[in-house]
Amino acid sequence: QQQVKQSPQSLIVQKGGISIINCAYENTAFDYFPWYQQFPGKGPALLIAIRPDVSEKKEGRFTISFNKSAKQFSLHIMDSQPGDSATYFCAAYPQANAGGTSYGKLTFGQGTILTVHP
Amino acid sequence: NAGVTQTPKFRILKIGQSMTLQCAQDMNHNYMYWYRQDPGMGLKLIYYSVGAGITDKGEVPNGYNVSRSTTEDFPLRLELAAPSQTSVYFCASSYSRGTQETQYFGPGTRLLVL
Repeated sequence: QQQVKQSPQSLIVQKGGISIINCAYENTAFDYFPWYQQFPGKGPALLIAIRPDVSEKKEGRFTISFNKSAKQFSLHIMDSQPGDSATYFCAAYPQANAGGTSYGKLTFGQGTILTVHP
Repeated sequence: NAGVTQTPKFRILKIGQSMTLQCAQDMNHNYMYWYRQDPGMGLKLIYYSVGAGITDKGEVPNGYNVSRSTTEDFPLRLELAAPSQTSVYFCASSYSRGTQETQYFGPGTRLLVL
């Protein structure tokens, strides 16, 4: 059971272009959505995150767009650079009062391998 | 701060062998996690710990064991290694498990079981 579905699996973009990665979730108990960036040979690192009470969050060239009714969110990388080439994971956290065994556990999407050509 | 450290970086095991993947953090984090990463599958939680002496199963615990005797260390034990355990293993830690809490990941251990 994949609770967070991520697409595409891989993405090739030219330098200066826009990279878009999409995620969809099923569990309405999720209420915090981080994106992690992973460079080859390294562990994932938090890139940017959003709560569902806002529709967009921007940090530099990275923007998360959030559609609560559709249960979808996406990462946009503007002016993509070769240094952005990495694997990107969306993730979701359940609500603090969700209870049960899911509390405090991140659920990850499948990952997107982004390649930005010079 | 070294953050989260993992050893070894790479290991080849024969089927049926056992090994321990080491993980340590120096951030005084209460919560620690073990994930495995397989191509196209994202990261799956194996085990996690909410403090010294307290551990619990994640999504894919079969074939693994953990212990947490100190705040700093969270080793993952593989008994009777199987080819299905070929993967990249990541340890992570966080100060708490509340919403919006950032998890900090180690550099990973690549394991090949032949």
